[in-house]
Amino acid sequence: DAGVTQSPTHLIKTRGQQVTLRCSPKSGHDTVSWYQQALGQGPQFIFQYYEEEERQRGNFPDRFSGHQFPNYSSELNVNALLLGDSALYLCASSFSTGVRYNEQFFGPGTRLTVL
Amino acid sequence: QKEVEQNSGPLSVPEGAIASLNCTYSDRGSQSFFWYRQYSGKSPELIMFIYSNGDKEDGRFTAQLNKASQYVSLLIRDSQPSDSATYLCAVNRGADKIIFGKGTRLHILP
Repeated sequence: DAGVTQSPTHLIKTRGQQVTLRCSPKSGHDTVSWYQQALGQGPQFIFQYYEEEERQRGNFPDRFSGHQFPNYSSELNVNALLLGDSALYLCASSFSTGVRYNEQFFGPGTRLTVL
Repeated sequence: QKEVEQNSGPLSVPEGAIASLNCTYSDRGSQSFFWYRQYSGKSPELIMFIYSNGDKEDGRFTAQLNKASQYVSLLIRDSQPSDSATYLCAVNRGADKIIFGKGTRLHILP
């Protein structure tokens, strides 16, 4: 049973460019959440997708957008990249059951460097 | 005031001793509380979660929650060198939106 997978593992972009990161959830999971983790910081919630719609969003600008496909995989898009967007981007998947909390399983992350 | 606050450390503990990690949170409406372990260069891994006031034990790990004081802690008994990692405290803000602290770096001294 494959866990959460993310691609690519590393990416280097220049300021102003656009980037797309991809995530495949753990088998049986229907919810994907994205986090940004800057060096020395905890992960920060970007947004969450469920049933192909954005269900919740953190305090990130509109340059950050996403999508969820019918097979539950997800993409994170970042436009007009800034130096401050350099970080580890983590995807986490879970199965929404309506109970208080559904454990999220994290993927290995994509390391984005903006020059 | 940050939503979840932790001492960044590093916290150095001799092998075999008890490591005590602490966390405070600001939103009294928070209902679920988590401790994640993150090794350098790796993604976070859930090690404990707690919903109710009091203690919850799982092997060498004990999570403690005091909602009145808005305080969560993690005790690691019989600390091992493999416990050296960053420990992230997190709270659930509804529908699986998790707010993380900055993490505490723990170093177990052989």
